[in-house]
Amino acid sequence: AQSVTQLGSHVSVSEGALVLLRCNYSSSVPPYLFWYVQYPNQGLQLLLKYTSAATLVKGINGFEAEFKKSETSFHLTKPSAHMSDAAEYFCAVSESGGFKTIFGAGTRLFVKA
Amino acid sequence: SQTIHQWPATLVQPVGSPLSLECTVEGTSNPNLYWYRQAAGRGLQLLFYSVGIGQISSEVPQNLSASRPQDRQFILSSKKLLLSDSGFYLCAWSPTDRDQPQHFGDGTRLSIL
Repeated sequence: AQSVTQLGSHVSVSEGALVLLRCNYSSSVPPYLFWYVQYPNQGLQLLLKYTSAATLVKGINGFEAEFKKSETSFHLTKPSAHMSDAAEYFCAVSESGGFKTIFGAGTRLFVKA
Repeated sequence: SQTIHQWPATLVQPVGSPLSLECTVEGTSNPNLYWYRQAAGRGLQLLFYSVGIGQISSEVPQNLSASRPQDRQFILSSKKLLLSDSGFYLCAWSPTDRDQPQHFGDGTRLSIL
């Protein structure tokens, strides 16, 4: 069965610094992977998705993620953090051949001025 | 383009009262529909999902129920609310095809007094 693990429930960076949010997945088949962002009192918004076309996936708001099969990882990065990036981020994997999505526990990103 | 509407945005209900939350999707046909709950400081818990009219799958046994009376309408209900039902409820949809990302509504903040 598929699963995702997000390392670090809270991450704090300074404005302008690199953002790195870690996600490891478990899947017996090639996975479909996603990153979502949630701002306070809002629903989740899709940042990017990996569907096996390219290992480096670019998303909205300057975020990107790299699929590394050997490390079973799909870490989210952004070169320079902005105050508006402060939010909760969820890594997710699609249930193989199914309709459900398995979400990680989330990582809250804090951006310091 | 597709849109998802969820209402109300906030709701305060006494213990033991009934509940009805509604979600509708526009711009697509036969979507997969989902209800999630997010308790404070916790991740997403899948409550129900539906792949077609009248087809409801329950993930967690509890005093909540879901119905899909029309193709693009998904309703979450309860006959008698418990204090533990407090949380942030999110509706989501995904295309019929498997392994597709989900798209979320803005959520309903439910407080039980």
